[in-house]
Amino acid sequence: EPEVTQTPSHQVTQMGQEVILRCVPISNHLYFYWYRQILGQKVEFLVSFYNNEISEKSEIFDDQFSVERPDGSNFTLKIRSTKLEDSAMYFCASSESLRDRNYEQYFGPGTRLTVT
Amino acid sequence: EDKVVQSPLSLVVHEGDTVTLNCSYEVTNFRSLLWYKQEKKAPTFLFMLTSSGIEKKSGRLSSILDKKELFSILNITATQTGDSAIYLCASRAGSKAAGNKLTFGGGTRVLVKP
Repeated sequence: EPEVTQTPSHQVTQMGQEVILRCVPISNHLYFYWYRQILGQKVEFLVSFYNNEISEKSEIFDDQFSVERPDGSNFTLKIRSTKLEDSAMYFCASSESLRDRNYEQYFGPGTRLTVT
Repeated sequence: EDKVVQSPLSLVVHEGDTVTLNCSYEVTNFRSLLWYKQEKKAPTFLFMLTSSGIEKKSGRLSSILDKKELFSILNITATQTGDSAIYLCASRAGSKAAGNKLTFGGGTRVLVKP
């Protein structure tokens, strides 16, 4: 069964460093998402991406964050200068493309980011 | 601001019991209501509901949506220890021009004891 994959599973970084989280969405999906879940809190939407551009972003997704689809399979989230409060589980998700129809979003296993 | 609230926060049952999980939502441009099961890491998809009153079933799990009263319930019958997890409810909202983000509730933690 096709699935969303994410690498690395766990990343530890120092405050102020740049990190790139990687995702490979399901191959026939064209809508991609990043969510995060701070320990003990709700899953929160960060950004959605379609047709090589951001469709929607939350208030959390400030100038320190960026997303990219560098090739036909990967979808990345970059945090330019990490802060302690960026420590969280980051989930990538994907869904089929048609915006005027309802398709479920499938989630990857997540990357646990720890900022020290 | 879109809001999704789940209740109860947690519950403990014994194998064979039936559980009912609640989800209420206040969402602009509502499109659908989704249920996920989160065991260790990634939320895994259970159901998507778009129409009121139509029950969706998958084995011992079922769910229904009430778009007038803005809530959904998830039922699990004949619970097993493998049903122990956090159950997440999420609303999908957005216009055709938007990205169809999911707004999640805080989850209900279910523990099924043998």
